[in-house]
Amino acid sequence: DAGVIQSPRHEVTEMGQEVTLRCKPISGHDYLFWYRQTMMRGLELLIYFNNNVPIDDSGMPEDRFSAKMPNASFSTLKIQPSEPRDSAVYFCASSFSGRQTPQRQYFGPGTRLTVT
Amino acid sequence: RKEVEQDPGPFNVPEGATVAFNCTYSNSASQSFFWYRQDCRKEPKLLMSVYSSGNEDGRFTAQLNRASQYISLLIRDSKLSDSATYLCVVTRGNTGFQKLVFGTGTRLLVSP
Repeated sequence: DAGVIQSPRHEVTEMGQEVTLRCKPISGHDYLFWYRQTMMRGLELLIYFNNNVPIDDSGMPEDRFSAKMPNASFSTLKIQPSEPRDSAVYFCASSFSGRQTPQRQYFGPGTRLTVT
Repeated sequence: RKEVEQDPGPFNVPEGATVAFNCTYSNSASQSFFWYRQDCRKEPKLLMSVYSSGNEDGRFTAQLNRASQYISLLIRDSKLSDSATYLCVVTRGNTGFQKLVFGTGTRLLVSP
């Protein structure tokens, strides 16, 4: 049973370059989340989608960040232009809004981004 | 002030020891509470939900004190495999879907 899939697992890029992170949620899940984790700030929610529609992007740090979900099985998080302070681990998570465990989120393995 | 506060540790304990972590949260409207576990360089995974009456899952016991806005996790008979970071999680939101708010975690190291 495949979990949340993220690619790439590691990304090293130079300041000013565009970075695209990809996520495939668990089949049947109707919520998708993008998080960023740093030592200083911990795990922060950037944006989440419900049925492919962005619901809350208040955590997106600035206009350099954008996220899309063109269909139920794919989402991207794009940073353009990237800056060294964007270096972090980016997690994608998905969940199903069933009655029993609506809040359980399943995380992907993360993308470790380094911007030099 | 952070919405969820945890002692970062690390807590260094020998195998077989009992260890307890605490967490405080600032939003009195939070409705659901969880402990997640995160291994080094891995993704967070749900360890257990926390209920007002307290709940147990094997060697793990979680308790919630809504009046003091305080959550705890007790691990009995620590195993080497318990070494990880434990994230305290609360929900934020009034109606409908509630977002998860994570603490920065407490690191546990269990030694032989």
